Amino acid sequence: DIQMTQSPSSLSASVGDRITITCRASQSISTYLNWYQQKPGKAPKVLIYAAASLYSGVPSRFSGSGSGTAFTLTISSLQPEDFAAYYCQQTYSTPWTFGQGTRVEIK
Amino acid sequence: EVQLVESGGGLVQPGGSLRLSCAASGFTFSNYGMTWVRQAPGKGLEWVAIIDQDDSQKRNVDSVQGRFTISRDNAKNSLYLEMNSLRAEDTAMYYCARILLSSSWVFDYWGQGTLVTVSS
Repeated sequence: DIQMTQSPSSLSASVGDRITITCRASQSISTYLNWYQQKPGKAPKVLIYAAASLYSGVPSRFSGSGSGTAFTLTISSLQPEDFAAYYCQQTYSTPWTFGQGTRVEIK
Repeated sequence: EVQLVESGGGLVQPGGSLRLSCAASGFTFSNYGMTWVRQAPGKGLEWVAIIDQDDSQKRNVDSVQGRFTISRDNAKNSLYLEMNSLRAEDTAMYYCARILLSSSWVFDYWGQGTLVTVSS
């Protein structure tokens, strides 16, 4: 199975900050990498698919990059509604696996 | 508007069975692969199973192999997860999601989830 490791597990930031979350795969997954946002008590929502493609309707302050084993999700200017948990997911091979999540909290 | 509505969760004893359903609307259900994802209380996301558009291919995570069965009825726009021999570690919120076949397999719409609690 492909292991996905996110860092950090949590971070505290202020509105307007630029933040970056890293996701590493235990083997190459090309660009079969998606990012999701989840708020408490809600279902996840897709932000980025295929490593760098912004899903329809997602604000442009979200961006993704990477290929192979190393990926990043960047929020260029953190907004109040962005405080949530973020998960990466590989769909290169089954079992599809998620990272353990990164919780973004208000400083 | 795309909608996915799960049902069938509840409290069940270890070793028991449940059948989850996911009612789809707002899109042509038979054109999309579908999947189940679960989340244990306070934990991260775990992919459970996938079924393709015409029920010809299924995959699941090893931890549910032989116990859970994913299925669909395209005539009823419905997805199912038959869960048998349930264990305490199966306690989770179960989400159904639609799979968008783009340059990666992304889960673009999710239901609100149905809670399964396995406890005596």
